[in-house]
Amino acid sequence: DVKVTQSSRYLVKRTGEKVFLECVQDMDHENMFWYRQDPGLGLRLIYFSYDVKMKEKGDIPEGYSVSREKKERFSLILESASTNQTSMYLCASSFSTGMTPEEGELFFGEGSRLTVL
Amino acid sequence: AQSVSQHNHHVILSEAASLELGCNYSYGGTVNLFWYVQYPGQHLQLLLKYFSGDPLVKGIKGFEAEFIKSKFSFNLRKPSVQWSDTAEYFCAVNAIGYSTLTFGKGTMLLVSP
Repeated sequence: DVKVTQSSRYLVKRTGEKVFLECVQDMDHENMFWYRQDPGLGLRLIYFSYDVKMKEKGDIPEGYSVSREKKERFSLILESASTNQTSMYLCASSFSTGMTPEEGELFFGEGSRLTVL
Repeated sequence: AQSVSQHNHHVILSEAASLELGCNYSYGGTVNLFWYVQYPGQHLQLLLKYFSGDPLVKGIKGFEAEFIKSKFSFNLRKPSVQWSDTAEYFCAVNAIGYSTLTFGKGTMLLVSP
């Protein structure tokens, strides 16, 4: 089974703190993604990465950055946390995007619930 | 840009009732379509997917979805829901030319015993 592991299930941080969310996948997937999930807004893409050291902005990248130094690990960084970044953060991975049945399907981690006070 | 619209934010049903959750997408080209489910306290998991071929797709736990290209729709159905189907359901689309999945806002289904 594909396993996507997020390092922290629950975090509480203060405004202005730097926050690191870590994600590791064990299926040698090329693609990794960070979403945030908010009630009534669904999943919104923050950043994604096709390969090591590559990153692309998603729909809501402001206030976030990412790092992908190794293929299996994708980190989300909040340089200076704010209260409006209180949310559930979901990491996902997939094989190369394409149009075959084996590709495109996302595998999700269990999520990291971040509260910023 | 691709977008996904789910018709209902909340649905409440009694056990054994039939379910249909609406999903429409906006993209004129070839698409892959997905339904994901998130049970309380669990991670998102794939329910079913459509890539090509038979537009009626069967997934896990008795769910199915029908792709109607002319209506840009991919509605999820189940003939008889159970209390354990209580969850949030997300429709998603991936179109050629777009490298990521776009999700709908989700539908929370509550099944009362």
